[in-house]
Amino acid sequence: DAGITQSPRHKVTETGTPVTLRCHQTENHRYMYWYRQDPGHGLRLIHYSYGVKDTDKGEVSDGYSVSRSKTEDFLLTLESATSSQTSVYFCASQGGNTEAFFGQGTRLTVV
Amino acid sequence: GENVEQHPSTLSVQEGDSAVIKCTYSDSASNYFPWYKQELGKGPQLIIDIRSNVGEKKDQRIAVTLNKTAKHFSLHITETQPEDSAVYFCAASTLSSASKIIFGSGTRLSIRP
Repeated sequence: DAGITQSPRHKVTETGTPVTLRCHQTENHRYMYWYRQDPGHGLRLIHYSYGVKDTDKGEVSDGYSVSRSKTEDFLLTLESATSSQTSVYFCASQGGNTEAFFGQGTRLTVV
Repeated sequence: GENVEQHPSTLSVQEGDSAVIKCTYSDSASNYFPWYKQELGKGPQLIIDIRSNVGEKKDQRIAVTLNKTAKHFSLHITETQPEDSAVYFCAASTLSSASKIIFGSGTRLSIRP
């Protein structure tokens, strides 16, 4: 498996608190992605990055921000968590014209 | 932006029979179409992909077909086995400097013994 890890794997947080999820890859991949997975919706793109400090919005970016200060790290921040952001979050990385590798996911519960 | 639709959402087939999952995409600029398999509690993993300059690709029991004119592509699994039970996702992407991958909503495939 490609070296891509997500942390934490599980988190419970309260409504209104900020939350940061971390994605770390060791493949020197240029592209990185954050998706959320919900029943009936598949994988929806939140934000993606095509290089250090180069990021763009995906389909469901409202309420989320990202940062990529190093090639290997892509952070997803929920500025003020809401119950609608309860989901499983997946990070992926991709190098050039190759397959995207996914992390194991982070299960986030907002109570 | 790109929109990918996937059908059916659930599929149950007898072991040994074939399974077909279909997807359509909206952006004619898309030129890369991967298929991912997700097992319970895990992240999706690539099982096969196809680029727009190819109409069909096969890897053992798995094949993918692409019709660029109609903007649809399909996954075919033959001689299904219990380990094929999983959620399958199609996706579309434009391999460029600002590439992003858009996924379909997924198909839950169950293989009946």
